[in-house]
Amino acid sequence: EDQVTQSPEALRLQEGESSSLNCSYTVSGLRGLFWYRQDPGKGPEFLFTLYSAGEEKEKERLKATLTKKESFLHITAPKPEDSATYLCAVQDTGGFKTIFGAGTRLFVKA
Amino acid sequence: DVKVTQSSRYLVKRTGEKVFLECVQDMDHENMFWYRQDPGLGLRLIYFSYDVKMKEKGDIPEGYSVSREKKERFSLILESASTNQTSMYLCASSLIQGYGYTFGSGTRLTVV
Repeated sequence: EDQVTQSPEALRLQEGESSSLNCSYTVSGLRGLFWYRQDPGKGPEFLFTLYSAGEEKEKERLKATLTKKESFLHITAPKPEDSATYLCAVQDTGGFKTIFGAGTRLFVKA
Repeated sequence: DVKVTQSSRYLVKRTGEKVFLECVQDMDHENMFWYRQDPGLGLRLIYFSYDVKMKEKGDIPEGYSVSREKKERFSLILESASTNQTSMYLCASSLIQGYGYTFGSGTRLTVV
């Protein structure tokens, strides 16, 4: 069964303190791995899609990487406005469903 | 900019009422989805549609139905609302499989 596990559940950083969020996944065949950002009371906002091991994508202070078993979202020199919940999701080659992880709540203090 | 619009941000309904949640996308996307999001349970798929007039059950379809008469519109129907259907409902669309989703802003439904 497809599964997505995110860690840590919550992460508190000082402004400028770089760190990484982890997403471990199990799928029979990976069609794509997705990262989303969700602000309180809003819908998730798409950030990245990764399709194969070794692939990397960057956007501002965020960089996503992918291996055969996990993905990392690296946050470099975060700012308070990066505070949000970050969701990881996978879609396997067998169907239409996307499985979401429970998310990591990131707090960045000025 | 690509958009998914949900008709209501907040909704309060009484137990037993029939509730319609509307979702419209302006991107000519093939696939549309309804999720509910609850604290501690994450995002759970209710129904999805990969073509007009097509629908498939997700992981928690009980108590819900859907309608997709036009490509851009996907409606979620709560046949007889119950208090355990109080939740944040999120509509999403994607161009094809393997693409990321565009989500709407969500409808926070309270059933009293």
